[in-house]
Amino acid sequence: TQLLEQSPQFLSIQEGENLTVYCNSSSVFSSLQWYRQEPGEGPVLLVTVVTGGEVKKLKRLTFQFGDARKDSSLHITAAQPGDTGLYLCAGFDTGGFKTIFGAGTRLFVKA
Amino acid sequence: KAGVTQTPRYLIKTRGQQVTLSCSPISGHRSVSWYQQTPGQGLQFLFEYFSETQRNKGNFPGRFSGRQFSNSRSEMNVSTLELGDSALYLCASSSHELTSGGADTQYFGPGTRLTVL
Repeated sequence: TQLLEQSPQFLSIQEGENLTVYCNSSSVFSSLQWYRQEPGEGPVLLVTVVTGGEVKKLKRLTFQFGDARKDSSLHITAAQPGDTGLYLCAGFDTGGFKTIFGAGTRLFVKA
Repeated sequence: KAGVTQTPRYLIKTRGQQVTLSCSPISGHRSVSWYQQTPGQGLQFLFEYFSETQRNKGNFPGRFSGRQFSNSRSEMNVSTLELGDSALYLCASSSHELTSGGADTQYFGPGTRLTVL
């Protein structure tokens, strides 16, 4: 069974700071996805990365897929309180034919 | 286009009871997947339905079952509830059956929060 490990589990920072969240696995994934989930809501897809070494930018968010397609990172520049939420990485487990999720990084940005 | 809707949003049951949760996917989407989210285990896949057929099932006991109707709406049923079934149950819809590539976009509903007392 493929697993996705996220770190850190929890992050509390001041508005304006930068941060990086990691998603690691010992398995190769054909693609990885990042979601953000806010309290009382379901996860919302932020990005899908499919090519090893790929870098995608979404405003202040930068997503990178590792060259070996076993890991990914999410970097937020100048975090804002609106970035507060649970960040989840997800990948498709080709053995089980299902989407698996990391445990998530809970981010709190203080004003 | 309306998003994924789930009903009810909140539910309180007692041990031994059964519960049925409902999910209406985005119009035109034929794939509906169900997930259980708990603080300890995170998001875990329950099952996926596509064109009224269960395509895949996660590692959950037989007390968890589901079905999909011809209009793609889906229901999930949990029988003989246990305390550990307390969780947020999320459904997600997609326009295509989840492929081995896994790059299809899933749109999640807000979830049903089930509390078992």
